[in-house]
Amino acid sequence: DTAVSQTPKYLVTQMGNDKSIKCEQNLGHDTMYWYKQDSKKFLKIMFSYNNKELIINETVPNRFSPKSPDKAHLNLHINSLELGDSAVYFCASSQGGGRARDYGYTFGSGTRLTVV
Amino acid sequence: AQSVSQHNHHVILSEAASLELGCNYSYGGTVNLFWYVQYPGQHLQLLLKYFSGDPLVKGIKGFEAEFIKSKFSFNLRKPSVQWSDTAEYFCAVRSGGYQKVTFGTGTKLQVIP
Repeated sequence: DTAVSQTPKYLVTQMGNDKSIKCEQNLGHDTMYWYKQDSKKFLKIMFSYNNKELIINETVPNRFSPKSPDKAHLNLHINSLELGDSAVYFCASSQGGGRARDYGYTFGSGTRLTVV
Repeated sequence: AQSVSQHNHHVILSEAASLELGCNYSYGGTVNLFWYVQYPGQHLQLLLKYFSGDPLVKGIKGFEAEFIKSKFSFNLRKPSVQWSDTAEYFCAVRSGGYQKVTFGTGTKLQVIP
């Protein structure tokens, strides 16, 4: 069973469109993240949710809106897509806080977004 | 703010050569340190992590890393690389109880058979 699953794996869309990427984890983790990996492989955190509560919100255009209906899901909605949004978006989860010792992330397989 | 530097952007080695990838971080307090590997076209996978205790950490696939607090470093090593180690390697740090993990810019390792 896939631990962190993202859909779709590939997404090609035109500028100006609105799209969503979904993420689900079945690890029982309480924290989920969205990272953006650009063409130079640089990974930058965008958002983090802990038990459905937004805890990290980096400097990201407000066209990007995360939504966490429950702690196993963290979706990313992007409005008015731009060419510069083309990247690979990775979802990740971790068991953080409290006495949990495993602070490593488990990553999804990524969503390659291409805006044309 | 925490930051991570990986000075080697692209490393090319022959099989059986020894590997050392540098990683330095900037945060004076308690840190958790990680190395992740990303094989071509795949997602990131955890190689090893350091939280406390023995500063020499052993990970999967024969990798190890040494935490040197005085140098703010967490270098990754492998005594003998294989062609299958060709990948991008990312160092990452989390400071204190903060949830955010900051990644370095990555080092591309190319192993030539």
